[in-house]
Amino acid sequence: DQQVKQNSPSLSVQEGRISILNCDYTNSMFDYFLWYKKYPAEGPTFLISISSIKDKNEDGRFTVFLNKSAKHLSLHIVPSQPGDSAVYFCAANQGAQKLVFGQGTRLTINP
Amino acid sequence: NAGVMQNPRHLVRRRGQEARLRCSPMKGHSHVYWYRQLPEEGLKFMVYLQKENIIDESGMPKERFSAEFPKEGPSILRIQQVVRGDSAAYFCASSPSGGVGNTIYFGEGSWLTVV
Repeated sequence: DQQVKQNSPSLSVQEGRISILNCDYTNSMFDYFLWYKKYPAEGPTFLISISSIKDKNEDGRFTVFLNKSAKHLSLHIVPSQPGDSAVYFCAANQGAQKLVFGQGTRLTINP
Repeated sequence: NAGVMQNPRHLVRRRGQEARLRCSPMKGHSHVYWYRQLPEEGLKFMVYLQKENIIDESGMPKERFSAEFPKEGPSILRIQQVVRGDSAAYFCASSPSGGVGNTIYFGEGSWLTVV
């Protein structure tokens, strides 16, 4: 049972435009959400997080939006840069730091 | 400030051998987690440990897998009698404390190949 889903395996965006990565979850008990970026043969790198009591968190070019009623969150990257090309994982916190990850979305930024 | 250190980065084992993966958390972090990533899949939680204690091992296979985080030294993930299906990337992560809101930082991973 996949509690965190990233339905788009891949996304291609022009450099300078906005990248929007989506994530859906089923467990209403999740109370903290995180986005990680991963390059091949490396570990995930923390990007940005959001608590369930908020609906938006912004950090530089990265903004995460949370819609609790829809059980949906999204990561916006603007403007997109070539170095943003990576696999992005959405994760949800299920108490005591046990993270549940989505399958990942491979983002490619085209010059 | 060194990050989460994992070794070996790559490990090849024959079926039936044992694999030991080591993880040193970030300085000041007392909570360690192990995750596994199978090819083309997301990361799956395996186990959460504090010093000398296993807090949550709900993601660990029932047999052949064990984990420890001794008072001194790194955390160890041990896989006995490896099979081909154990081939995966194993990621260790650490955090300064438990509780919601503490970001978990990952190591570079250990890639296990069973031949």
